[in-house]
Amino acid sequence: EIVMTQSPATLPVSLGERASLSCRASQSVSSNLAWYQKKPGQAPRLLIYGASTRATGVPARFSGSGSGTEFTLTISSLQSEDFAVYFCQQYNKWPLYTFGQGTKLEIK
Amino acid sequence: EVEMVESGGGQVKPGGSLRLSCAGSGFTFSRYSMNWVRQAPGKGLEWVSSISSYSTYMFYADSVKGRFTISRDNAKNSLYLQMSSLGAEDTAVYYCARGDTTSLTDYWGQGTLVTVSS
Repeated sequence: EIVMTQSPATLPVSLGERASLSCRASQSVSSNLAWYQKKPGQAPRLLIYGASTRATGVPARFSGSGSGTEFTLTISSLQSEDFAVYFCQQYNKWPLYTFGQGTKLEIK
Repeated sequence: EVEMVESGGGQVKPGGSLRLSCAGSGFTFSRYSMNWVRQAPGKGLEWVSSISSYSTYMFYADSVKGRFTISRDNAKNSLYLQMSSLGAEDTAVYYCARGDTTSLTDYWGQGTLVTVSS
């Protein structure tokens, strides 16, 4: 099983600040890495796939980078609606998806 | 607009059974694989089961193998998860998620809560 490790677990940030979230895979997943945003009571929303491609309708302030085992989600200037839990997922081998534990963005 | 809506969750006693449903709309259901993913309270997401577009292939996590059965009815644009021999460890929000041709889970439902408790 590919283990996905996200850090930090919680990230306090201020409005307008830049946030960088990390995701590490225990073995290479190539670029088969996705990032999702999760708010309470809502469906997970796909933000980034292929490690760096924004999904339809996702604002340009969200960007993804990395390949292999190290990945980063960057939110360039945090808006109020961005405070949520973010999790990464590897989809390198269907259907053995594995997910990170999530990073919660909190208002500082 | 692509949408998935789960139903069928609720409270069930240990050892009991429950059947979850997921209704898809806004896309050609039969063209996509479908997946169930769950999140237990305070825990991360866990893949549960997947089914290919015409039910040729079905896969299960070791934690549910032999107890859960995934199925679909393309004529009704619906996905199902029959769960039996439920235990406290199965308490979770269950999500259905569409899988595209690269196996990316691009759209998810809002989830349905299953609580296993006496």
